Parts: sequence; C-alpha cells; structure tokens
Amino acid sequence: QKEVEQNSGPLSVPEGAIASLNCTYSDRGSQSFFWYRQYSGKSPELIMSIYSNGDKEDGRFTAQLNKASQYVSLLIRDSQPSDSATYLCAVNNEGNTPLVFGKGTRLSVIA
Amino acid sequence: ETGVTQSPTHLIKTRGQQVTLRCSSQSGHNTVSWYQQALGQGPQFIFQYYREEENGRGNFPPRFSGLQFPNYSSELNVNALELDDSALYLCASSSGGQGTYGYTFGSGTRLTVV
Repeated sequence: QKEVEQNSGPLSVPEGAIASLNCTYSDRGSQSFFWYRQYSGKSPELIMSIYSNGDKEDGRFTAQLNKASQYVSLLIRDSQPSDSATYLCAVNNEGNTPLVFGKGTRLSVIA
Repeated sequence: ETGVTQSPTHLIKTRGQQVTLRCSSQSGHNTVSWYQQALGQGPQFIFQYYREEENGRGNFPPRFSGLQFPNYSSELNVNALELDDSALYLCASSSGGQGTYGYTFGSGTRLTVV
C-alpha cells in the first residue's frame, strides 16, 4: 500500500515567519512530488512540483526533496494570512500512474 | 486557455439513486483522473482515463464507473448511492500519458447522499 504521511496540524505561525511543512512517502519508486494548496471548500491548487533531490525555489515557496530519506518538504517564507489553508503533499511514479495524496496539513498564519 | 470545469457544483441525492458527474479537461490535456475527497481527508484516487481508455483504478467498487470522450471530457457514474459516498468529487487533467507535470483540478462537485 503506497502511503503519504503528513502531520495534520494545525500548524500556527505568525505573519512574516517561515512555515515548514513536511511529508514522507513509502514507495521508493516515486518519481514526482507535488504540493497543492487547498482553501476550505475549494479544490486543490498546484503550487510546487519537484522531481530531483535538492531544493527548488519559486517566489516565497521552496520545495525540498530527499529521496534517500523518502522525505519532501515545503517552506513558505514571509508567511501571510492568505497562506492559511490546507497543504496537500502528493506523489506519483514515472509513467501513467495516479497521484497518492497525504491527508494534508492545516496551516494557520496569525496576523 | 480554459481550465478544468466540472458540473454540477452541488448535488443532493437519495440513498440508492444513481448520479452522473461531468468534467471538461483543460485544453491540450488528454489524461483525466477522478478523485473522491471526504471531509478532513486527502483526495483518494478513483480511476484515470488516457485517450478514452481506463488505465488505472483505485480501491473503489464497480458501482463507480466512468467514460472519457473523444474531446477528452469525462463522466463519473455512481450507482446505488450510499451515505458514505457523500464527498467532494474532483476531476483532474494533465498533458501526456505520464501525468508527471502535475494535475490541474476542477472546482469539484459536492455530493450529499441523504
């Protein structure tokens, strides 16, 4: 059974701080890793994708991948109240395979 | 470029009834996947279609079925609805059969079974 684990939170950070969200996965064959943001009652929105070990930065967001440890993380710098949402980690294998999601981490940024 | 659109947005059905949910994929996307998201949970994979063929299925019973049409739009059909089928149903599309570029989700259909 392929599993993706996330701390459900809530994770509370003050405005302007760095929020760190973590995810582990069980399938060593996983090749593609995604972070989705989901506001309450809305659908998931892709914010980051990463495919190789190391860091990938996009604006205030940095995704980090360590395949040896089967660990992927998302850092949000200068957190804003508008970042308050549930963050879903998803992985899939190379090829035509579906996404496996974690349950999500609820982030609350306090003004 | 249009995104992924789903219809209807909300639906209330009675236990035992049948329901059809619809999805139009993003322009240029030929892979469509359906997910079920219960409250407080991550999306769970139902099945995936690539160029009108089902090419993956999650742990859902046969009463969950689907179709993909030549224009890559898709339908999800659920027969003999149960109370536990109440959830947000998400359609996601991607370009290429591998789906490694990230899926774009529609706004979802909120199904309530009473």
